[in-house]
Amino acid sequence: EAQVTQNPRYLITVTGKKLTVTCSQNMNHEYMSWYRQDPGLGLRQIYYSMNVEVTDKGDVPEGYKVSRKEKRNFPLILESPSPNQTSLYFCASSWSRKSYNEQFFGPGTRLTVL
Amino acid sequence: AQSVSQHNHHVILSEAASLELGCNYSYGGTVNLFWYVQYPGQHFQLLLKYFSGDPLVKGIKGFEAEFIKSKFSFNLRKPSVQWSDTAEYFCAVSGGGADGLTFGKGTHLIIQP
Repeated sequence: EAQVTQNPRYLITVTGKKLTVTCSQNMNHEYMSWYRQDPGLGLRQIYYSMNVEVTDKGDVPEGYKVSRKEKRNFPLILESPSPNQTSLYFCASSWSRKSYNEQFFGPGTRLTVL
Repeated sequence: AQSVSQHNHHVILSEAASLELGCNYSYGGTVNLFWYVQYPGQHFQLLLKYFSGDPLVKGIKGFEAEFIKSKFSFNLRKPSVQWSDTAEYFCAVSGGGADGLTFGKGTHLIIQP
């Protein structure tokens, strides 16, 4: 089944404790992206990747890192999480960066930073 | 930078009522437009998209949207809603040199039986 998977789905952590949220897609998509969803703010793009070893900042990159060593994986790294990073995170992928491509979303990761 | 405005943050309708959710975007060049739905439990699904051709786009589950370039709008419509349409609806835009999607803030739709 074609899908985007994220792990973990739920995570509660404490300020300053490094964490990684994994994202994997099995559709051979070139383009992958991370968003955060906050009440009243919709979805905002954190980072995106147009292909292996090519990443770039989105609208709200502060406090996050990403890597794209393999085409299928695009982990989101929080080196020193803070409470303002408590949010719902979505990974998405599409065939390419072409703007008409539909993005496929993962199931979401709900992160709470205490 | 692009921006997307969704006019209604919360909408409550009765079953069988007609629905129209507004969406306006800021960029004046070539754009691609999408409506996504997020069901309770967080799962996203693409309802429809426009990238060229007929400005009236038909999507899944009886939804349609009309692209009106002169008004920078892409409103979502459904003639008769069902309880199962309760969800959050997001308009999104891509194009204009920006990578990825720019989302509106969403409209929370509640359908009462």
